[in-house]
Amino acid sequence: ETGVTQTPRHLVMGMTNKKSLKCEQHLGHNAMYWYKQSAKKPLELMFVYSLEERVENNSVPSRFSPECPNSSHLFLHLHTLQPEDSALYLCASSQVPYNEQFFGPGTRLTVL
Amino acid sequence: KNEVEQSPQNLTAQEGEFITINCSYSVGISALHWLQQHPGGGIVSLFMLSSGKKKHGRLIATINIQEKHSSLHITASHPRDSAVYICAVKTTGNQFYFGTGTSLTVIP
Repeated sequence: ETGVTQTPRHLVMGMTNKKSLKCEQHLGHNAMYWYKQSAKKPLELMFVYSLEERVENNSVPSRFSPECPNSSHLFLHLHTLQPEDSALYLCASSQVPYNEQFFGPGTRLTVL
Repeated sequence: KNEVEQSPQNLTAQEGEFITINCSYSVGISALHWLQQHPGGGIVSLFMLSSGKKKHGRLIATINIQEKHSSLHITASHPRDSAVYICAVKTTGNQFYFGTGTSLTVIP
């Protein structure tokens, strides 16, 4: 595997479910990011991790909970989501925080 | 009002045409990124620049810091260039702002 991978690619969940999105980077980068992309809206930066430490949390609701166990893996734990949380969730990584980023293919999330 | 504005929102061009996509921003920046997003979602970083001009193949990106404006040019456009092009800025305070994107369709 090369680059940035995300699983699953598609996820449908009910509002009472708990699920997790996984991201893995094979680039030896030190920073990882979660983004949300809703239809007709700009990309929204959700979380930034640098060397497994969260450096930014952009007022994201607590129903989204990130976890970075090491510099290669990033998770986004989801619980009691709302239909408006349906979106494409993108993971990215960079060598140093806020520099050129490499993106994963995204997880298309639908909340029923 | 978004900190980053792109124009046009949608663009249709004939194969071979020269294309320009514009990006204006209202914040102090340390770098500007141009990203390409194909149908299906995957995003590729095309350029990161903080001054002047960069060229990669048929793509050219320019930035004017005083005018707070950047342009992405595509020469000899091809149907495979059809994608959404996104401008993003990294502020001096290490925040990221994104434009809503320009949807480009190149017709054979």
